[in-house]
This record gives sequence, structure tokens and C-alpha cells, in this order.
Amino acid sequence: NAGVTQTPKFQVLKTGQSMTLQCAQDMNHNSMYWYRQDPGMGLRLIYYSASEGTTDKGEVPNGYNVSRLNKREFSLRLESAAPSQTSVYFCASSRIADTQYFGPGTRLTVL
Amino acid sequence: DQQVKQNSPSLSVQEGRISILNCDYTNSMFDYFLWYKKYPAEGPTFLISISSIKDKNEDGRFTVFLNKSAKHLSLHIVPSQPGDSAVYFCAASGVAGGTSYGKLTFGQGTILTVHP
Repeated sequence: NAGVTQTPKFQVLKTGQSMTLQCAQDMNHNSMYWYRQDPGMGLRLIYYSASEGTTDKGEVPNGYNVSRLNKREFSLRLESAAPSQTSVYFCASSRIADTQYFGPGTRLTVL
Repeated sequence: DQQVKQNSPSLSVQEGRISILNCDYTNSMFDYFLWYKKYPAEGPTFLISISSIKDKNEDGRFTVFLNKSAKHLSLHIVPSQPGDSAVYFCAASGVAGGTSYGKLTFGQGTILTVHP
């Protein structure tokens, strides 16, 4: 089992560009999450999907959209990137509302 | 409003000794607590968890203690090993039916360094 995989690992964007971060899990988990990690601030929840077909906002959703494509895949889209979105992005999954398992992260820089 | 706080940014310990990492929370609706370990350039790895119906949970060298009245939890690592050097995050989620159910709120992290 690969667990939770994320692509790409690194990305550099210019202000105003768009991109989609991809996440997939092979653990048959129902719930999936997107977090961002900034220095000194721990991880903050951007969006989550409690089950296939549902998505909800987390603590810091502004500037992002998500799609739960199927049970395995949950993507995060930046429509118009801003320097404030420079961060490390982590995807996670859980069976229901229990222990979350994380992917390796995507390091995004917006110039 | 920081609902989960780790007030020590760093901790340095000698190999073989005990490491104690602390975490405080303010939301009385939190009922499930977890510790994650994170190495540089990797995702957080689940370490150990505890439900609010318990006050202690042990897994090998790792023990988590929960003091609900003080809204405080701690992670004990005994004995500490150099490979334990990493950033440790505590996290909490809320009761079923509540607004924080299934969603983790993280502390800022504590950098643990274990010296040989």
C-alpha cells in the first residue's frame, strides 16, 4: 500500500497563475483533508470531505477550491495564486473521524 | 484564538533520558487527542492517541497522559533515542455532532533534539 500520495512534490507559480494539487489514498478511507503548514503555526485545515460527494470548509478556505473526484481522490485548486499561499500543503485521509494519515506534502512557492 | 497550544518551541534531551512534551487546549468539546511526529520534508506520522474517557495510553516507549480538568496532555518518551529527533505536534478533535468532529486542530509543534 502506498498510503496517501500527493503530486507534485514541488511547484513554483507566479502571482495569478492557477494550479491543482492532487491527492490519492489507497486505504479505502471515507474522509479526506487538505492542510497547509506555515512556519510556527502548525497545520491548519483548508477543506475536508467527510465522505464521497461531500466537501466542507475548514479554518482557512479562502482562495481555494476542492473536488472529491471519487472515494480515492481529493484535489485542491488555487484559481489565482497569491504570495500568501506560499506554504507546504498536506493531504490526509481517515476511515471516518478518527486517526488521520498524511501524505508527503507539496511545497508551493508563489512569486 | 489558538485552541491547542504547545508552549515549548524546542526541547533538548540526552539519549536514554525521558523526553516530556506538553500540550494545552482550551476547547472543552475536544474529546480525542493525538500526537504526530514529523521529520523534515516528510508528512506527519501518527504516533499515539488517547480518548477523553482515558487518562493514559501506552505504546512501547511512548505514553500519553491526559488531564481533562487541567485541559492538558503530555507525551513521554522513555528512553529517548537520537532517531526520535523530530518535530512533535499534538492535535485534537471534537465530540460527535459538534463542529470540530473529525477535524483536527493542531498545536504549533515542539522540536525535540535527542543528543547521543
